[in-house]
Amino acid sequence: GQNIDQPTEMTATEGAIVQINCTYQTSGFNGLFWYQQHAGEAPTFLSYNVLDGLEEKGRFSSFLSRSKGYSYLLLKELQMKDSASYLCAVRDSNYQLIWGAGTKLIIKP
Amino acid sequence: ETGVTQTPRHLVMGMTNKKSLKCEQHLGHNAMYWYKQSAKKPLELMFVYSLEERVENNSVPSRFSPECPNSSHLFLHLHTLQPEDSALYLCASSQVIPGGQGTDTQYFGPGTRLTVL
Repeated sequence: GQNIDQPTEMTATEGAIVQINCTYQTSGFNGLFWYQQHAGEAPTFLSYNVLDGLEEKGRFSSFLSRSKGYSYLLLKELQMKDSASYLCAVRDSNYQLIWGAGTKLIIKP
Repeated sequence: ETGVTQTPRHLVMGMTNKKSLKCEQHLGHNAMYWYKQSAKKPLELMFVYSLEERVENNSVPSRFSPECPNSSHLFLHLHTLQPEDSALYLCASSQVIPGGQGTDTQYFGPGTRLTVL
């Protein structure tokens, strides 16, 4: 079967750095997405990786290793507004999105 | 962000009621989706309309019925629901990639929080 694993919950301190990991086993691979979802709001697109390596977008970076079936989302200079759930999704060989259950990130002052 | 809108935002209904959820996208996309989001579970894809064709998902109970009158509007008709159907229902849209290689990034609406009593 297809599976996406990410931690259920993480806690970090304002101003610090946090890394949210995602591992996947899917039928083929055609890209990996990260979304941010604040409570009661729409998931919003953060990043897309299809080749190995690091993609940087301001305070957020996303890394992919296809050989290891592994990605992480790195958040720097954490702000209270970064408290949200972070969803990892992989597009499989049929171009269907397989979703993880999400990681709830709690930022403390 | 008003690219994808959903109404109502909250809905409480009894098991014998009939109601409909509405989604509208203003992004010019040609694919639309219904997802169910339950606490601590992955998003569950319910239905897809791509280039105005419906992609069936055999695991969705018949008490959920989608309707896509055009590429900008999507409905989910609900009847005789069960308490376990209580969840956040999300609509999304995307653009089909030319050459039959699936679709581009999906953009979501804020969801309808459904409670079935």
